[in-house]
This record gives sequence, structure tokens and C-alpha cells, in this order.
Amino acid sequence: SAVISQKPSRDICQRGTSLTIQCQVDSQVTMMFWYRQQPGQSLTLIATANQGSEATYESGFVIDKFPISRPNLTFSTLTVSNMSPEDSSIYLCSVEPGQGANEQFFGPGTRLTVL
Amino acid sequence: GQQLNQSPQSMFIQEGEDVSMNCTSSSIFNTWLWYKQDPGEGPVLLIALYKAGELTSNGRLTAQFGITRKDSFLNISASIPSDVGIYFCAGRTTTDSWGKLQFGAGTQVVVTP
Repeated sequence: SAVISQKPSRDICQRGTSLTIQCQVDSQVTMMFWYRQQPGQSLTLIATANQGSEATYESGFVIDKFPISRPNLTFSTLTVSNMSPEDSSIYLCSVEPGQGANEQFFGPGTRLTVL
Repeated sequence: GQQLNQSPQSMFIQEGEDVSMNCTSSSIFNTWLWYKQDPGEGPVLLIALYKAGELTSNGRLTAQFGITRKDSFLNISASIPSDVGIYFCAGRTTTDSWGKLQFGAGTQVVVTP
């Protein structure tokens, strides 16, 4: 498995501001993903973070709202832009190491509250 | 959209009892993963399944990849208080793009002494 850390672990933000969440992995991984988990709900995939190219977004999520960077094989960022209270969620980074097994491992999450 | 049906939604059990939950779909899956999420934490991978009929154990946990490839089951034997949490199934169909997982709605397990 991979050890994944996220920063910040939680934040309280004002409406209209932006927050950038960092995801760091202790080893190089092929695939990195960003999920959103709204209160009391399951996980929804936001996008696949592609190393060296633009992220691939799922239906309902756009780059202007959730810009993603992935400069190398161990690091990615997700920005939640122009936030509103509806963006209050847990944001999770996950990785697939890619050595044959299709296992996906999750970071501890970033709990975001927008006032 | 979400294609997985996970049941039950919640379970209230006594310590020592066995727990069973399942996920079903109308689509054929080639991977099933089971996760547990504790409050304030990210999901932790419990068991991964890759072949129809596969039965895999991890301590008191046992999961099976259904023979039709459209369902999976997770059993917890002799539950203990630390089994409390939300259990999610996740899977990948034969047509899902590489890496993309679909998640069930989760089963909340509450264990009473």
C-alpha cells in the first residue's frame, strides 16, 4: 500500500474564497484521483489527476471550479474555487500504485466548511 | 451515475454477532473492493477481489466476488466494538475507464456491548 497525506486536514473558509488542498504520496504512483464526500453521503469522483497533462473531469465537475495540478508522480493539488456553502464536504485524494493490482488507497481527507 | 446497490443501509448488532452486507449491480464487474471508513478518516481498504467466485479473508472479514460478476458480499464474524463504522463496496465494470471506481451508498454498522 501507499502512505498518503493531505494538507490541510480541515479548514473553515469564507464564501467566495478559494482553497488549495495538497496530496503527497510516499512513493511514485501511476494514478491519482480526487473525490468529494458530502455529509452523510458516499464518495463521488471529481477527476483523475494526470501527470504532465490536464486532469480528466467527471460529469458535473469543471476545471474552472476545481483546478487540479499534478507536477510529478507523488504530488497533486486540488483547488476549490469561489466557494459557496454547498462546497462544504470532505475532499479525498486516492492513488493506484499501478503495479498490476487494481487497488485504490485513500488519504485521510480534508474537511472543508464554507460559511 | 451510481450503479451499485448496497444493503442494508444500517445495522445495529450486539457484540459477538456476525454481520453480512452486499452490493449488487445490473452491470458486470471485474473488480470489487471493500472499504471501512471511521469518522473523520479516509476509507481504508479491507479486501480486494478480482475473479468471479473468489473468496478472500482478512482476519474476521470474508468477502466474495459473486459468480455472476454482478454482486459481492462482505461478512464480519464475531463483531467487536471497533467494527463500528461505515462500510463501502466499490467496483469497476468492464467498461469503466482505467482507475475509475463506482461506490455503493455505504452500510453503517453499530455494535452494542
